[in-house]
Amino acid sequence: GDSVTQMEGPVTLSEEAFLTINCTYTATGYPSLFWYVQYPGEGLQLLLKATKADDKGSNKGFEATYRKETTSFHLEKGSVQVSDSAVYFCALSFNQAGTALIFGKGTTLSVSS
Amino acid sequence: DSGVTQTPKHLITATGQRVTLRCSPRSGDLSVYWYQQSLDQGLQFLIQYYNGEERAKGNILERFSAQQFPDLHSELNLSSLELGDSALYFCASSVAIGATDTQYFGPGTRLTVL
Repeated sequence: GDSVTQMEGPVTLSEEAFLTINCTYTATGYPSLFWYVQYPGEGLQLLLKATKADDKGSNKGFEATYRKETTSFHLEKGSVQVSDSAVYFCALSFNQAGTALIFGKGTTLSVSS
Repeated sequence: DSGVTQTPKHLITATGQRVTLRCSPRSGDLSVYWYQQSLDQGLQFLIQYYNGEERAKGNILERFSAQQFPDLHSELNLSSLELGDSALYFCASSVAIGATDTQYFGPGTRLTVL
């Protein structure tokens, strides 16, 4: 079945370090790909998305490129801040009725000053 | 604030009991999704309603049921509760029926079954 695999955390970085969180997917067909972020005590928020191969999603300094050849959607940020500390979820879905988001297990990011 | 509200915020109950979780979607959103987040299973899709009708079903147990009312709010009913049902339950809403539309998540209801 369709699935998403994320790198296991926690990821611990110092402020201004470069961030990469790996995400790969398995899907029949061509899904849309998402990164959601969950700050402590809150619900998930959409961070960015890409709907087709080679699309780059970006928001708040975060970027991810939809790579069909490697079935990947790695999340990157050039310089993390303490406020980026959260759990990051990679997800996929298909634009058809009867489907829903399929999430990875989540990766906890902790940034210290 | 996503515009999605969920009540209650916390719920503590005993095994065998029944509870109802409530969700109000963002104004204008017709789709409501329910998800369960637990440490061992991660974030799992349970069920989707669109404009009052069930449209997709995920890993929802037979002991669980949901409905969406004419005013578009939704309720998730959990019965014959077991210890393993302890989790964070999220509701999300979106405008359209397709799952690629941005989903807006509520703050969740934390259920503890003792």
